[in-house]
Amino acid sequence: GAGVSQSPRYKVAKRGQDVALRCDPISGHVSLFWYQQALGQGPEFLTYFQNEAQLDKSGLPSDRFFAERPEGSVSTLKIQRTQQEDSAVYLCASSLVSAGGAEAFFGQGTRLTVV
Amino acid sequence: SQQGEEDPQALSIQEGENATMNCSYKTSINNLQWYRQNSGRGLVHLILIRSNEREKHSGRLRVTLDTSKKSSSLLITASRAADTASYFCATDPDSNYQLIWGAGTKLIIKP
Repeated sequence: GAGVSQSPRYKVAKRGQDVALRCDPISGHVSLFWYQQALGQGPEFLTYFQNEAQLDKSGLPSDRFFAERPEGSVSTLKIQRTQQEDSAVYLCASSLVSAGGAEAFFGQGTRLTVV
Repeated sequence: SQQGEEDPQALSIQEGENATMNCSYKTSINNLQWYRQNSGRGLVHLILIRSNEREKHSGRLRVTLDTSKKSSSLLITASRAADTASYFCATDPDSNYQLIWGAGTKLIIKP
């Protein structure tokens, strides 16, 4: 596809369950970002990859959150032992270059609901 | 934490009128971007203005940037129902590549 693809679009998890969210960026895009967006708020940065290297994970809220991009394309955000406060939309974005502030292309997001 | 604050939080206008949204931010930046988000298409990039630019146009959009006041405005002229969405500003602070986002302005265009 031409755009950033995220799956699943919706995920309901029981508290304590582990979840894995997938992002397929635009082919050839160097940069990949994960954001968390709460209802009525703007996105909050979670982590950044330049190719396969995770250069910044300062936004990950706890050690229950883990992200990887092993071959520099597809990325997975994993949340272990989900809590209710993890309920949010998780957005993935990619951009062509590694320089800051380049136009980012977003996926539709995964809406996670922890019950 | 969020760097930008959009103003107003919500705006409702008649189709055909102009809509103006404002964004204020806290730290020095390399550039500022505006994005639109609706349920159908997710977050879509609208326009990027660099710190050394004061005004930029793209179709019905006009963006201004005042770095001395750390503020930006987005003007949508001749609004259409399809412009109904939330609009976010995002800044690229000097220090890193992250985009820092405001909470957004919810724009409703009444037919």
